[in-house]
Amino acid sequence: GNSVTQMEGPVTLSEEAFLTINCTYTATGYPSLFWYVQYPGEGLQLLLKATKADDKGSNKGFEATYRKETTSFHLEKGSVQVSDSAVYFCALSDINTGNQFYFGTGTSLTVIP
Amino acid sequence: EPEVTQTPSHQVTQMGQEVILRCVPISNHLYFYWYRQILGQKVEFLVSFYNNEISEKSEIFDDQFSVERPDGSNFTLKIRSTKLEDSAMYFCASSGDRGMNTEAFFGQGTRLTVV
Repeated sequence: GNSVTQMEGPVTLSEEAFLTINCTYTATGYPSLFWYVQYPGEGLQLLLKATKADDKGSNKGFEATYRKETTSFHLEKGSVQVSDSAVYFCALSDINTGNQFYFGTGTSLTVIP
Repeated sequence: EPEVTQTPSHQVTQMGQEVILRCVPISNHLYFYWYRQILGQKVEFLVSFYNNEISEKSEIFDDQFSVERPDGSNFTLKIRSTKLEDSAMYFCASSGDRGMNTEAFFGQGTRLTVV
């Protein structure tokens, strides 16, 4: 079946540190991969996505590359800011299973000045 | 920017009571979803809805749950007789189509607490 496993949190980093949040997936088909972010008190917002192998999604300095050989979609940012403090969710969507999303557990990131 | 809105943001209900969670999807979207997240666990799919009927549902979505699009703008999730284990954050989502590039837009969630 389809599932997503992502790095346990919480993660605490100093401002300007490098961020990696690991995400791996299993899928029966050929899924699209997403990172969603949830800021305090808000809903889930799409951060970036990739729909095929070797695609790189990027937004707001965050990047993730769809790696089919390692079934991974790790989120990275070179220099985090306090405003990046949020919960990050890795997810996959598979058109063969009705486009429903399969989420990881979420990783809470706190960036301290 | 269009957004999905959910009301209420927090609902407290007694065990055994019925509860209705409300969502207003983005106006030109066609596909609607409910997800839930029990504290500390994954966001789980409950149900998808298209063309005025359920298109998929998970095993979580049993006879205690129902969904409705009563008036062309609202999309509701009803839990008939709440249990303690229904306490969770419930997210509504909508999308314009189904395809590899489809992005789902999520609401801010309703936190349901069953006491």
